[in-house]
Amino acid sequence: DAGVIQSPRHEVTEMGQEVTLRCKPISGHNSLFWYRQTMMRGLELLIYFNNNVPIDDSGMPEDRFSAKMPNASFSTLKIQPSEPRDSAVYFCASSLTPQGRREKLFFGSGTQLSVL
Amino acid sequence: DAKTTQPNSMESNEEEPVHLPCNHSTISGTDYIHWYRQLPSQGPEYVIHGLTSNVNNRMASLAIAEDRKSSTLILHRATLRDAAVYYCILRDTDSWGKLQFGAGTQVVVTP
Repeated sequence: DAGVIQSPRHEVTEMGQEVTLRCKPISGHNSLFWYRQTMMRGLELLIYFNNNVPIDDSGMPEDRFSAKMPNASFSTLKIQPSEPRDSAVYFCASSLTPQGRREKLFFGSGTQLSVL
Repeated sequence: DAKTTQPNSMESNEEEPVHLPCNHSTISGTDYIHWYRQLPSQGPEYVIHGLTSNVNNRMASLAIAEDRKSSTLILHRATLRDAAVYYCILRDTDSWGKLQFGAGTQVVVTP
């Protein structure tokens, strides 16, 4: 089992550019979560999907952020245009669960984003 | 969501037990208590979870107070590899599986 795979591992971009982060969940998992981690705010839940459908995107900071899950094996988080305050580590996680409760989340290694 | 309170940091000597407290006085009857940890430069990883009874697994033990308003994660013999931030999280049955992380406890293990 390869675990949750995120790419790229590191991304450095300039302010105003579009950034796309990618996530491949564990095969068979039906829930997917995007988190952002900064020193100031810790780990924040941005959005989560169940069976490829967005359930709650209330954590998405602004309209510049969007996430999609076109199929069960792939999700993207896009920032357009990017700003320096978007610099953070972005984690993707997946779980096998129809309605949460006791199932554990498996996290990827994260994408370190730096916006200059 | 019900909140948890944890100490900012704890220190332990290697090979000694570590007891990490977590207060959750507003816990509801359907909240599960989950613990995750985050090693440096890695994503969080699951440690253990429980509802009412104490739980043990290969990583740790979870002791839950009778009134469920607090719990303690026990690392029986700390190693240098246990140095991490440990998060205590309440997870409701209707939460669609999401986890809301607090600040956690930074565990420092000294040789």
